[in-house]
Amino acid sequence: EIVMTQPPATLSVSPGERATLSCRASQSVSSSLAWYQQRPGQAPRLLIYGASTRATGVPARFSGSGSGTEFTLTISNLQSEDSAVYYCQQYKKWPPGTFGQGTKVEIK
Amino acid sequence: QVQLVQSGAEVKKPGSSVRVSCKASGGTFRSYAINWVRQAPGQGLEWVGAIIPVVGTANYAQKFQGRVTITADESTSTVYMELSSLRSEDTAVYYCAKGIAGTYYYGSGSYVLDVWGKGTTVTVSS
Repeated sequence: EIVMTQPPATLSVSPGERATLSCRASQSVSSSLAWYQQRPGQAPRLLIYGASTRATGVPARFSGSGSGTEFTLTISNLQSEDSAVYYCQQYKKWPPGTFGQGTKVEIK
Repeated sequence: QVQLVQSGAEVKKPGSSVRVSCKASGGTFRSYAINWVRQAPGQGLEWVGAIIPVVGTANYAQKFQGRVTITADESTSTVYMELSSLRSEDTAVYYCAKGIAGTYYYGSGSYVLDVWGKGTTVTVSS
């Protein structure tokens, strides 16, 4: 099973600044990588798939990059509503499509 | 746009079974994978299994093999997940979620989850 790692567990960023989140795979997943946002008390929401394609309705300040084993989610111009936990998920080798343990983004 | 409506919260005794439903409305249902993902309190996301209703055969995470059964009723656009031999560690919110790609076979698009239900809380306690 492919293991997904997301350091750090928590990221604290000021409003209007940029947040850079990291995701590492234990083996190559090519570009089969998705990012999800989960706000407190809500279900997850798909943000990015194919490592860099934004899902329908996702603002352009969310962007994804990377391939192979190293991936990045960048949130530009951070807003208060971006306070959430962000999960990466690989879907190269399935089942299962394994998730990382998540990075919590806090607004300073 | 498909919406997924899940059944209500459940409280179960250890050793019993629970069945959670997920009803799709507002769009095509039968050729999209419906996945089940769970989240224990304060923890991350864990994939349980999936089914493409028109295919009928589900696939499951190895961890749950033998304990979980996912079925689909095309006539009511409803998918069910039944988990047996419940233990306290099964206490979690169970989400159903739709795969992004319509397909007649399991593929990577089955596991990119673009529409989610609100979740069903299952509590296992004596």
